[in-house]
Amino acid sequence: EVHLVESGGGLVKPGGSLTLSCAASGFTFSDYTMNWVRQAPGKGLEWVSSISSRSTYIYYTDSVKGRFTISRDNAKNSLSLQMNSLRGEDTAVYYCARDSISPGDFDYWGQGSLVTVSS
Amino acid sequence: SYELTQPSSVSVSPGQTARITCSGDILTEKYGLWFQQKPGQAPLLIIYKDTERPSGIPERFSGSSSGTTVTLTISGAHVEDEADYYCYSAADNDVRVFGGGTKLTVL
Repeated sequence: EVHLVESGGGLVKPGGSLTLSCAASGFTFSDYTMNWVRQAPGKGLEWVSSISSRSTYIYYTDSVKGRFTISRDNAKNSLSLQMNSLRGEDTAVYYCARDSISPGDFDYWGQGSLVTVSS
Repeated sequence: SYELTQPSSVSVSPGQTARITCSGDILTEKYGLWFQQKPGQAPLLIIYKDTERPSGIPERFSGSSSGTTVTLTISGAHVEDEADYYCYSAADNDVRVFGGGTKLTVL
């Protein structure tokens, strides 16, 4: 069974940094593109970043370019999101989610990790 | 920029058919997907490639597509179908867009 478990969330001051992790199990992690998707409190879903199976292709939404860095360690079945220069508008639950050829994008999700940016 | 537009809310009685629309120019070229999210839970993929249903998703959930609009239909809605529903499409690898979400009330 596919499991994705996020960790590393918490309270951070504006301008601060935080690193989220996602531990994957139940599938061959190195075969899949992985993503971070976030959801601000009471708001909708927003795709943040994706990384291809061997880290060849990396993409970010415009609002986090230059501040966030996605990475993965296929030997450890782990996905990370390093977040720098955090702003209040980055406050959200951050989900890691898997892409597959079929059924398609975001076919499995973790339970999410809350990041709160506040002084 | 690409946008997907959904109604903010839809309300039906149990057993009725609920339809949730999602409109956007991107949908003439790319597939639409639908996600269900219940309070405090992660989203769940319920429709992909406009009309396909992943294994384990009840048959009462179906999808359709016409022009710039994809539609999620819940035939004979159950009380437990009350949730937020999000459409999604990807114009490109770095342009991956969700609709604003629709709150479905079943009562």
